Amino acid sequence: GEDVEQSLFLSVREGDSSVINCTYTDSSSTYLYWYKQEPGAGLQLLTYIFSNMDMKQDQRLTVLLNKKDKHLSLRIADTQTGDSAIYFCAESAVSYNTDKLIFGTGTRLQVFP
Amino acid sequence: NAGVTQTPKFQVLKTGQSMTLQCAQDMNHEYMSWYRQDPGMGLRLIHYSVGAGITDQGEVPNGYNVSRSTTEDFPLRLLSAAPSQTSVYFCASSYEASRTGELFFGEGSRLTVL
Repeated sequence: GEDVEQSLFLSVREGDSSVINCTYTDSSSTYLYWYKQEPGAGLQLLTYIFSNMDMKQDQRLTVLLNKKDKHLSLRIADTQTGDSAIYFCAESAVSYNTDKLIFGTGTRLQVFP
Repeated sequence: NAGVTQTPKFQVLKTGQSMTLQCAQDMNHEYMSWYRQDPGMGLRLIHYSVGAGITDQGEVPNGYNVSRSTTEDFPLRLLSAAPSQTSVYFCASSYEASRTGELFFGEGSRLTVL
């Protein structure tokens, strides 16, 4: 079945870059997503990448996709304390004409001054 | 727009009690879903709906029922609560079934079953 794996924790200094990694198993995924969850809140879609792309940049966020290795990463440039949150990657799995999202376990990013 | 609204935010139940978690969205979204979030396990899909009158099971449907009588509402019912159902529950919606990755989430409902 589908599986999405992430490391649980990442700690970075304010102003540095953060790189959050994710591996997935379903090679038929059409889109891959990054969500952010702040404390006590629901998830918020940050960005997504179509499976035929290698890279997508959106302001401080850069998404890299290596389809051969089934590896997805999210780079946050100039990390700020407001970036402290849990970051989830997710892959879409098509089933009966409906996409279902399979979420990873989430990576907790802690930004220290 | 309020977006996706979940009630209650917190609930404590005793084993065997029943309750309904409410979810409403005002964005005219076609697709709605319920997830549960447990430590170290990410989010797991419980049930989903691609439109009014249509529901289907997700990854972990046992112990839960849903219905979709209107586009706006998608309640989740726990028929006989068990401690294993202690979790944070999220309702999420998207414009259409083919774009379920672009989900809008509610703020969550934290349920404790004693």
